[in-house]
Amino acid sequence: NAGVTQTPKFRILKIGQSMTLQCTQDMNHNYMYWYRQDPGMGLKLIYYSVGAGITDKGEVPNGYNVSRSTTEDFPLRLELAAPSQTSVYFCASSFGWAGENYEQYFGPGTRLTVT
Amino acid sequence: AQSVSQHNHHVILSEAASLELGCNYSYGGTVNLFWYVQYPGQHLQLLLKYFSGDPLVKGIKGFEAEFIKSKFSFNLRKPSVQWSDTAEYFCAVITNAGKSTFGDGTTLTVKP
Repeated sequence: NAGVTQTPKFRILKIGQSMTLQCTQDMNHNYMYWYRQDPGMGLKLIYYSVGAGITDKGEVPNGYNVSRSTTEDFPLRLELAAPSQTSVYFCASSFGWAGENYEQYFGPGTRLTVT
Repeated sequence: AQSVSQHNHHVILSEAASLELGCNYSYGGTVNLFWYVQYPGQHLQLLLKYFSGDPLVKGIKGFEAEFIKSKFSFNLRKPSVQWSDTAEYFCAVITNAGKSTFGDGTTLTVKP
């Protein structure tokens, strides 16, 4: 298994540009998450999904959109990039939300700079 | 809305000292609790987790945490830290709706 993969690893955007951060998992996990991590801060939940076709807002959803058309993929869309969206973005997945074998698996992250 | 509070932003210890990092959460329903570690330049790794049963849970690398329901706390402990424990530590909760919340993290620096 490749686990959780994210592309790209790095990206520089100009203000107002748009882009999609890709996230794919091959573990047949139902739950998927998008976080951002600003320097010196914890992870903030942007959006999450408990299954294909179901998405919900996290703590900081403004300026982002998601879709979940398949179990494997959970892309994050930035429509009008702003400097405040400069951050490291992590995608994660899990089989459920509880249980002895529960674990949230994280991707390697995408470092985004908006200038 | 749920929230997680980590009281210590930066902790500096000498090797062999004991460690305790505080974590409190607020949520009225059932939660599952986690501690993650992030070494410099790496992504998060799970240290330990609590779902039910014995409130004292043991994780990797000699870490343990105690869930005290009445205090909404899940403090992380290690009897004797090593230089290699220098990292950032995050407490997190996940509710039965699948929504996760992380604390802002505690940076641990262990001096050799």
